Amino acid sequence: GAVVSQHPSWVICKSGTSVKIECRSLDFQATTMFWYRQFPKQSLMLMATSNEGSKATYEQGVEKDKFLINHASLTLSTLTVTSAHPEDSSFYICSAPGQGRLEQYFGPGTRLTVT
Amino acid sequence: QQQVKQSPQSLIVQKGGISIINCAYENTAFDYFPWYQQFPGKGPALLIAIRPDVSEKKEGRFTISFNKSAKQFSLHIMDSQPGDSATYFCAAAGGTSYGKLTFGQGTILTVHP
Repeated sequence: GAVVSQHPSWVICKSGTSVKIECRSLDFQATTMFWYRQFPKQSLMLMATSNEGSKATYEQGVEKDKFLINHASLTLSTLTVTSAHPEDSSFYICSAPGQGRLEQYFGPGTRLTVT
Repeated sequence: QQQVKQSPQSLIVQKGGISIINCAYENTAFDYFPWYQQFPGKGPALLIAIRPDVSEKKEGRFTISFNKSAKQFSLHIMDSQPGDSATYFCAAAGGTSYGKLTFGQGTILTVHP
């Protein structure tokens, strides 16, 4: 299957600061990537769709000014959590479709802790 | 209408037994149903997926059964092993974007040796 990586795997930041999370497709190109959030012992919730060359689209209830998404190239999407607060602490996971379009491959996730 | 309901919340099975996890959906636009396995602190890994044109799909020890009329699908893990202990999520997608997955609530599977 296709390989998706994320960096960093774990980050701690202070309240009010911003943090950037990278998502890369390692052996394939992805014009679209997806960002999910998973709180402890809960399911994954789709936050936004990252589109190469155009603006991201956000799911209902997700603040686009707080969660900035940039799809810089065909292999890289970044999620920036701006002015982070403790309630933003979560597991952020990206995904990208494989060549078959149906299968979605997930990155290893980034654990964000805001103190 | 976008929900995918998954049960049970947790499941304990003896080694060699069969693990069965069930999901139900409401949105008839869904036409792609994958199952993911997730270990603590890791991203979900695609296990197996099915589309509505077939009622069953088997890959190794994993089988998906699909009932289109009932809008239900299930995962069967045959000969369950301790290494299968993980959280399992069903999901659904359809329409214009198969990347916009709607996940079930998850099932924590524990396989005792």
